[in-house]
Amino acid sequence: AQKVTQAQTEISVVEKEDVTLDCVYETRDTTYYLFWYKQPPSGELVFLIRRNSFDEQNEISGRYSWNFQKSTSSFNFTITASQVVDSAVYFCALKGPNFGNEKLTFGTGTRLTIIP
Amino acid sequence: GAVVSQHPSWVICKSGTSVKIECRSLDFQATTMFWYRQFPKQSLMLMATSNEGSKATYEQGVEKDKFLINHASLTLSTLTVTSAHPEDSSFYICSARDRKITYEQYFGPGTRLTVT
Repeated sequence: AQKVTQAQTEISVVEKEDVTLDCVYETRDTTYYLFWYKQPPSGELVFLIRRNSFDEQNEISGRYSWNFQKSTSSFNFTITASQVVDSAVYFCALKGPNFGNEKLTFGTGTRLTIIP
Repeated sequence: GAVVSQHPSWVICKSGTSVKIECRSLDFQATTMFWYRQFPKQSLMLMATSNEGSKATYEQGVEKDKFLINHASLTLSTLTVTSAHPEDSSFYICSARDRKITYEQYFGPGTRLTVT
């Protein structure tokens, strides 16, 4: 069975601070995909990143960076120099191989509030 | 590219009535579509997976007679909430898998259902 744990329910930081959102996953698949989504108050899910299990290279996209560590089954997300527009709920998600297990398993989400 | 629309974006209906929600892939063909439900301040829970031309596969605990899913074409899936009750009030989100890009799911903007 697949499981995604986001232990941080809510985080508040002051604008311009860095913040890291944790994600720990469980799966028996050797091939799998990890995702991060942002859900602003409007409700629409915004895709941020996809990472497959064979690619442990960390990724940076502007102020966003992701740290994937298979040894600890973690896929953490860091926002550098946070801005008010970053306030949202962030979901980490896990999917199995392309065929046979297409379900996305979501974590419970972390509500991030950036204080101006 | 890869746009998924949902209609309506919000709907209010009276208890006992039925309401239909449409999910369309606008610029790609979706052999598989997924329906999620999200209660306030909670995560997304997969309700069912629908494949074009075949019956939907429902997750455990989801009443298939209450949540009717039809995936009649490669670009359209519908979710009908039958005999709606106030406890069915929720945010319903669909996603669609591109038949060519199998590891990706594209999410619709969601439909907020309120049953009075």
